[in-house]
Formats: sequence, C-alpha cells, structure tokens
Amino acid sequence: SQQGEEDPQALSIQEGENATMNCSYKTSINNLQWYRQNSGRGLVHLILIRSNEREKHSGRLRVTLDTSKKSSSLLITASRAADTASYFCATHTGGFKTIFGAGTRLFVKA
Amino acid sequence: DAGVIQSPRHEVTEMGQEVTLRCKPISGHDYLFWYRQTMMRGLELLIYFNNNVPIDDSGMPEDRFSAKMPNASFSTLKIQPSEPRDSAVYFCASSLMEWETQYFGPGTRLLVL
Repeated sequence: SQQGEEDPQALSIQEGENATMNCSYKTSINNLQWYRQNSGRGLVHLILIRSNEREKHSGRLRVTLDTSKKSSSLLITASRAADTASYFCATHTGGFKTIFGAGTRLFVKA
Repeated sequence: DAGVIQSPRHEVTEMGQEVTLRCKPISGHDYLFWYRQTMMRGLELLIYFNNNVPIDDSGMPEDRFSAKMPNASFSTLKIQPSEPRDSAVYFCASSLMEWETQYFGPGTRLLVL
C-alpha cells in the first residue's frame, strides 16, 4: 500500500470556505511535501515541511505535521474557484524514493 | 527559465511500436525523475538520475522500458515494444537536491492502441 494516503478522496466546497485535506503515512519521514495538480497538467510544488517542524504557512496555505500520529494536514483558507485541483502529499523516508499518495480531488464552486 | 520541457505532449501509437519520450530538465538541476500516472496506480516513480547516472530503476515495470541521460540537459524514456497497458501520462521532473522540491514537466499523454 502507499506510504502517503490522502483523506478525503474528494471534497466539494463553496468559494470562500476553508478546505482541509489530510495525509497519513506509515514509516518515519525526513520531509513531507504537498503538491497541486490541475487537470491535464504536471504537479506543482506547494510546500515542504521537515520532520522537525510542526507547522508552516505559505499565503493561504497552512500545513501541519504530527509525527507522533504520522499525519499531516493541508488547510486552504478562503478558497477560490482556481483552487480546484488534485492535491497530493509526498513523503520522503530517507530511502531512495519519494512516495506520492493517491490525492484529494478538491472542487470549489463559485 | 522555461521549466522542465517534455516532448511530445501527446503520442498515439499502435501496439508493438517503439515509443520515445523526451525530457529537458531545468538547467543546473542534478536530479531527474521519470514518473508514470494512471487512474488505477496513481503516480509511480519509474527511475531517477543523479548527475546523469541512473540511481534507482526499481520502478521500471519490465525490460521493455529503458531510460538514458546522455548529458545534463537531456533524457529519454523508451518503450519497446509498446503495449496497451502502457497507456498513461508520463512525467519528467527535476530537482536541485535529492528529495527536495521537484519541478514537473507538463507530461506526455501516451495512448497505445
């Protein structure tokens, strides 16, 4: 099974609302990254959080990391229609691979 | 910088044909990754290079797949012979440091009939 698993698989919200996506993983990590993918496009890096960090912000994005629970969350505040995309977490375990989860599909209704 | 460049953007071919996908990484990036994305299996790492040398090819599905990086600005992923189950979007990505931010190309959408 995948190292990182996002929850929920799909999320539909109204513009202006906050969107929260979660990622759970199984083994210890060096860092965890969140990426966005618009339909038909490549992935775009959003934010990287290291194992010794608990929270990071970037604009309307807030990422938390709880290594004791092996989980991370991505919060998008004041969502916009342009935030409609799939969001992936990617974990690096210190081995030779970064493993991507299956993603959360976010739909923001205008 | 133009970002990671991939060609072709779309490829339709018949089963048994050879397919070659191309990638130009961001200048100065020492790491290059090839991924495959399908609905069923998600995003899978096929192979990655460091300074043009293949480091881990354990994700390459089978011998029909091969990848090369003859220089720092060019890589190819070849499928020979192609099969319908190879239909997917293939992404190339590059990064400055191992397992830090990866910059993805737009992908090549491959359809094998």
